[in-house]
Amino acid sequence: DGGITQSPKYLFRKEGQNVTLSCEQNLNHDAMYWYRQDPGQGLRLIYYSQIVNDFQKGDIAEGYSVSREKKESFPLTVTSAQKNPTAFYLCASSIENRGFNTQYFGPGTRLTVL
Amino acid sequence: DQQVKQNSPSLSVQEGRISILNCDYTNSMFDYFLWYKKYPAEGPTFLISISSIKDKNEDGRFTVFLNKSAKHLSLHIVPSQPGDSAVYFCAASSRTSGTYKYIFGTGTRLKVLA
Repeated sequence: DGGITQSPKYLFRKEGQNVTLSCEQNLNHDAMYWYRQDPGQGLRLIYYSQIVNDFQKGDIAEGYSVSREKKESFPLTVTSAQKNPTAFYLCASSIENRGFNTQYFGPGTRLTVL
Repeated sequence: DQQVKQNSPSLSVQEGRISILNCDYTNSMFDYFLWYKKYPAEGPTFLISISSIKDKNEDGRFTVFLNKSAKHLSLHIVPSQPGDSAVYFCAASSRTSGTYKYIFGTGTRLKVLA
Protein backbone atom coordinates (compact mmCIF):
# COMPACT_ATOMS: atom_id res chain seq x y z
CA ASP A 1 0.00 0.00 0.00
CA GLY A 2 2.12 2.83 -1.33
CA GLY A 3 1.67 6.48 -0.55
CA ILE A 4 2.88 9.66 1.04
CA THR A 5 2.53 10.19 4.75
CA GLN A 6 2.81 13.41 6.67
CA SER A 7 2.81 13.61 10.40
CA PRO A 8 1.37 14.94 12.52
CA LYS A 9 -1.95 16.10 11.04
CA TYR A 10 -2.10 19.07 13.40
CA LEU A 11 0.85 20.73 15.09
CA PHE A 12 0.99 23.56 17.59
CA ARG A 13 4.11 25.42 18.54
CA LYS A 14 5.03 28.49 20.51
CA GLU A 15 6.43 31.48 18.68
CA GLY A 16 10.22 31.37 18.43
CA GLN A 17 10.47 27.58 18.39
CA ASN A 18 11.74 25.59 15.45
CA VAL A 19 9.52 22.73 14.34
CA THR A 20 10.12 19.86 11.90
CA LEU A 21 7.39 18.42 9.70
CA SER A 22 7.74 14.86 8.54
CA CYS A 23 7.19 13.57 5.00
CA GLU A 24 7.75 9.97 3.99
CA GLN A 25 6.97 8.18 0.72
CA ASN A 26 7.23 4.55 -0.29
CA LEU A 27 6.46 5.11 -3.96
CA ASN A 28 10.11 5.00 -4.99
CA HIS A 29 9.74 8.52 -6.38
CA ASP A 30 12.88 10.48 -7.06
CA ALA A 31 11.59 14.00 -6.56
CA MET A 32 9.95 15.46 -3.47
CA TYR A 33 8.46 18.87 -2.73
CA TRP A 34 7.16 21.06 0.05
CA TYR A 35 4.35 23.54 -0.50
CA ARG A 36 2.53 25.95 1.69
CA GLN A 37 -1.15 26.83 1.32
CA ASP A 38 -2.73 29.88 2.89
CA PRO A 39 -6.46 30.71 2.83
CA GLY A 40 -7.59 31.87 -0.61
CA GLN A 41 -4.23 31.22 -2.16
CA GLY A 42 -2.74 28.58 -4.35
CA LEU A 43 0.09 26.26 -3.44
CA ARG A 44 3.44 27.99 -3.11
CA LEU A 45 6.65 26.02 -3.46
CA ILE A 46 9.03 26.14 -0.49
CA TYR A 47 11.74 23.63 -1.41
CA TYR A 48 12.14 20.71 -3.76
CA SER A 49 14.57 17.88 -4.23
CA GLN A 50 15.09 15.95 -7.43
CA ILE A 51 17.59 13.44 -6.05
CA VAL A 52 19.00 12.35 -2.70
CA ASN A 53 21.44 14.78 -1.06
CA ASP A 54 20.36 17.60 -3.34
CA PHE A 55 17.63 20.22 -2.96
CA GLN A 56 16.75 23.65 -4.29
CA LYS A 57 14.91 26.65 -2.97
CA GLY A 58 11.43 27.28 -4.23
CA ASP A 59 9.61 30.58 -4.34
CA ILE A 60 9.26 31.13 -0.58
CA ALA A 61 12.23 29.36 1.04
CA GLU A 62 13.11 32.06 3.58
CA GLY A 63 12.72 30.81 7.14
CA TYR A 64 12.63 27.14 6.11
CA SER A 65 15.22 24.38 5.79
CA VAL A 66 15.14 20.84 4.43
CA SER A 67 17.30 17.74 4.14
CA ARG A 68 17.20 14.77 1.78
CA GLU A 69 19.39 12.09 3.27
CA LYS A 70 17.19 9.24 2.11
CA LYS A 71 15.07 8.81 -0.99
CA GLU A 72 11.99 8.13 1.12
CA SER A 73 12.20 11.12 3.44
CA PHE A 74 12.13 14.89 3.01
CA PRO A 75 11.61 16.66 6.36
CA LEU A 76 10.89 20.37 6.50
CA THR A 77 12.02 22.55 9.39
CA VAL A 78 10.12 25.75 10.02
CA THR A 79 12.53 28.02 11.82
CA SER A 80 11.89 30.99 14.08
CA ALA A 81 12.99 33.18 11.16
CA GLN A 82 9.79 32.40 9.29
CA LYS A 83 7.60 35.43 9.94
CA ASN A 84 4.21 33.86 9.28
CA PRO A 85 4.57 30.12 9.91
CA THR A 86 0.90 29.35 10.56
CA ALA A 87 -0.31 27.56 7.42
CA PHE A 88 -1.23 24.24 5.85
CA TYR A 89 1.89 22.43 4.65
CA LEU A 90 1.78 19.90 1.86
CA CYS A 91 4.42 17.43 0.79
CA ALA A 92 4.45 15.84 -2.64
CA SER A 93 6.53 13.40 -4.62
CA SER A 94 6.83 12.62 -8.29
CA ILE A 95 8.42 10.37 -10.83
CA GLU A 96 9.06 11.05 -14.47
CA ASN A 97 7.10 8.97 -16.94
CA ARG A 98 7.80 9.35 -20.67
CA GLY A 99 9.02 12.87 -20.13
CA PHE A 100 6.12 13.95 -17.98
CA ASN A 101 6.12 14.40 -14.26
CA THR A 102 2.99 14.11 -12.11
CA GLN A 103 3.09 15.11 -8.47
CA TYR A 104 1.17 13.20 -5.81
CA PHE A 105 0.41 14.82 -2.49
CA GLY A 106 0.34 13.76 1.11
CA PRO A 107 -2.57 14.60 3.45
CA GLY A 108 -0.92 17.75 4.80
CA THR A 109 0.04 19.14 8.20
CA ARG A 110 -1.67 22.17 9.66
CA LEU A 111 0.84 24.14 11.71
CA THR A 112 -0.40 26.73 14.17
CA VAL A 113 2.09 28.96 15.91
CA LEU A 114 0.71 30.48 19.09
CA ASP B 1 3.61 38.00 -11.62
CA GLN B 2 1.01 35.25 -11.61
CA GLN B 3 1.83 32.87 -14.41
CA VAL B 4 -1.21 30.65 -13.85
CA LYS B 5 -4.54 32.27 -13.15
CA GLN B 6 -7.92 30.96 -12.15
CA ASN B 7 -10.06 34.04 -12.34
CA SER B 8 -13.22 32.52 -10.89
CA PRO B 9 -12.82 31.92 -7.17
CA SER B 10 -16.10 30.04 -6.98
CA LEU B 11 -18.70 28.29 -9.13
CA SER B 12 -22.10 26.78 -8.35
CA VAL B 13 -23.70 24.17 -10.60
CA GLN B 14 -26.80 22.05 -10.36
CA GLU B 15 -26.32 18.31 -9.98
CA GLY B 16 -26.34 16.57 -13.37
CA ARG B 17 -25.27 19.68 -15.27
CA ILE B 18 -21.86 20.46 -16.70
CA SER B 19 -19.20 22.19 -14.60
CA ILE B 20 -16.60 24.19 -16.51
CA LEU B 21 -13.53 25.41 -14.67
CA ASN B 22 -11.13 27.72 -16.43
CA CYS B 23 -7.43 28.42 -16.18
CA ASP B 24 -5.21 30.88 -18.06
CA TYR B 25 -1.45 30.95 -18.26
CA THR B 26 1.09 33.43 -19.53
CA ASN B 27 4.29 31.42 -20.00
CA SER B 28 4.43 29.91 -23.48
CA MET B 29 7.14 27.50 -22.28
CA PHE B 30 4.61 25.54 -20.23
CA ASP B 31 4.03 22.20 -21.90
CA TYR B 32 2.32 20.05 -19.29
CA PHE B 33 -0.87 20.95 -17.44
CA LEU B 34 -2.69 19.23 -14.61
CA TRP B 35 -5.87 19.55 -12.61
CA TYR B 36 -6.09 18.69 -8.93
CA LYS B 37 -9.10 18.40 -6.65
CA LYS B 38 -8.79 19.34 -3.00
CA TYR B 39 -11.10 18.83 -0.04
CA PRO B 40 -10.59 20.96 3.10
CA ALA B 41 -7.73 19.86 5.34
CA GLU B 42 -6.61 17.22 2.83
CA GLY B 43 -3.90 17.03 0.20
CA PRO B 44 -4.79 17.67 -3.45
CA THR B 45 -5.73 14.63 -5.51
CA PHE B 46 -4.51 14.36 -9.09
CA LEU B 47 -7.42 14.35 -11.54
CA ILE B 48 -6.26 14.64 -15.10
CA SER B 49 -3.40 16.04 -17.16
CA ILE B 50 -2.68 17.13 -20.71
CA SER B 51 0.50 17.75 -22.63
CA SER B 52 0.90 20.59 -25.08
CA ILE B 53 0.91 18.21 -28.06
CA LYS B 54 -2.78 17.50 -27.43
CA ASP B 55 -5.85 19.70 -27.28
CA LYS B 56 -8.11 17.32 -25.38
CA ASN B 57 -7.81 14.56 -22.85
CA GLU B 58 -10.73 12.64 -21.41
CA ASP B 59 -11.05 10.39 -18.37
CA GLY B 60 -14.55 9.33 -17.44
CA ARG B 61 -16.59 12.35 -16.44
CA PHE B 62 -13.56 14.63 -16.66
CA THR B 63 -12.27 16.26 -19.84
CA VAL B 64 -9.50 18.80 -20.10
CA PHE B 65 -9.26 21.08 -23.12
CA LEU B 66 -6.13 23.03 -24.05
CA ASN B 67 -6.09 26.06 -26.34
CA LYS B 68 -2.42 26.91 -26.80
CA SER B 69 -3.00 29.98 -28.93
CA ALA B 70 -5.18 31.48 -26.22
CA LYS B 71 -3.02 30.07 -23.41
CA HIS B 72 -6.17 28.70 -21.86
CA LEU B 73 -7.25 25.36 -20.45
CA SER B 74 -10.52 24.20 -19.04
CA LEU B 75 -11.82 21.26 -17.07
CA HIS B 76 -15.28 19.93 -17.88
CA ILE B 77 -17.11 17.69 -15.45
CA VAL B 78 -20.17 15.96 -16.87
CA PRO B 79 -22.46 15.13 -15.17
CA SER B 80 -21.63 17.03 -12.02
CA GLN B 81 -22.22 15.24 -8.74
CA PRO B 82 -22.44 16.56 -5.16
CA GLY B 83 -19.20 14.69 -4.35
CA ASP B 84 -17.44 16.89 -6.89
CA SER B 85 -17.81 19.84 -4.54
CA ALA B 86 -14.23 20.83 -3.74
CA VAL B 87 -11.54 23.31 -4.68
CA TYR B 88 -9.95 22.66 -8.06
CA PHE B 89 -6.41 23.78 -8.84
CA CYS B 90 -4.79 23.91 -12.23
CA ALA B 91 -1.02 23.59 -12.47
CA ALA B 92 1.52 24.05 -15.24
CA SER B 93 5.08 22.96 -15.76
CA SER B 94 7.82 23.21 -18.34
CA ARG B 95 10.03 20.24 -19.12
CA THR B 96 12.55 22.48 -20.81
CA SER B 97 13.27 24.21 -17.50
CA GLY B 98 15.12 21.07 -16.44
CA THR B 99 13.23 20.92 -13.18
CA TYR B 100 9.95 19.42 -12.11
CA LYS B 101 8.54 22.65 -10.74
CA TYR B 102 4.84 23.34 -11.02
CA ILE B 103 3.11 26.68 -10.92
CA PHE B 104 -0.34 26.46 -9.34
CA GLY B 105 -3.35 28.67 -9.80
CA THR B 106 -5.23 30.03 -6.79
CA GLY B 107 -8.07 27.54 -7.16
CA THR B 108 -11.79 27.57 -7.94
CA ARG B 109 -14.26 26.38 -5.34
CA LEU B 110 -16.95 24.26 -7.02
CA LYS B 111 -20.24 23.68 -5.30
CA VAL B 112 -22.58 21.14 -6.86
CA LEU B 113 -26.13 21.68 -5.68
CA ALA B 114 -28.36 18.66 -5.16
